[in-house]
Amino acid sequence: DAGVTQSPTHLIKTRGQQVTLRCSPKSGHDTVSWYQQALGQGPQFIFQYYEEEERQRGNFPDRFSGHQFPNYSSELNVNALLLGDSALYLCASSFLDWKTTDTQYFGPGTRLTVL
Amino acid sequence: TQLLEQSPQFLSIQEGENLTVYCNSSSVFSSLQWYRQEPGEGPVLLVTVVTGGEVKKLKRLTFQFGDARKDSSLHITAAQPGDTGLYLCAGAPSGGSQGNLIFGKGTKLSVKP
Repeated sequence: DAGVTQSPTHLIKTRGQQVTLRCSPKSGHDTVSWYQQALGQGPQFIFQYYEEEERQRGNFPDRFSGHQFPNYSSELNVNALLLGDSALYLCASSFLDWKTTDTQYFGPGTRLTVL
Repeated sequence: TQLLEQSPQFLSIQEGENLTVYCNSSSVFSSLQWYRQEPGEGPVLLVTVVTGGEVKKLKRLTFQFGDARKDSSLHITAAQPGDTGLYLCAGAPSGGSQGNLIFGKGTKLSVKP
C-alpha cells in the first residue's frame, strides 16, 4: 500500500518565477492538505482540497493556489516566488469521514529553495 | 488564533533517561496528534488522541490528552538514540470541519549513547 508521494524532492528557483509541486494521496484517501514548513518551525496550513474544490484555506496570499484532480492527486502552485517562500512543502492526505477524527498522513515533502 | 505551545524546544539527554514533552493551548481541540520528523522528511504519525483524559501507550512512549482537551504530553521511558528527532504535536480545532491541523513548533530531541 503506497503512502503519500510527492514530487519533485528538491527544487531550486529564482525570485519571480513560478513553481508547481505535485502530490498523490495514500490509497483510499480523498482529501489533500498542503502545509509549508520553514526551517525550525512547525508546518503551517496552506489549504485543503476535497472533491476537486478548495475546502479550507490558511493565511497565505493568493500567489498560492492549488488543484485537485478526479483521481484525488493534487498540485500546489506558487507564483511570483519570494525568498521567504523557501521551505519544505508537505502534502498530507486523509479520508473525510464526518464521524471520525481527521488523522492526516504526510508525504516526504518537497524542499523548495528560492534564490 | 489558536496556538499550540510545545516545551521544551530542545532536549539533549543520555541513553536510558526518561523525558516528557508538553503541548499546551488555551483552546479546545477535538483531537490531537503526535508526529516524529527526521531532517528533510515528512512527519510520521505516532498517535491520535481523541477523548479527554485518554492515555495511549506505544511501547516506551506514553501519550496523554488533558481532561479539558487543551493540552497533551508525550513521555518516553528509557530513551534510546533511535528516538532522536523532532517531535510535533498537532491539534484539530474543536467545532471545525476536519480541516487544517494546527502545529506546535516542535521539540528537538537528541539522545546520546
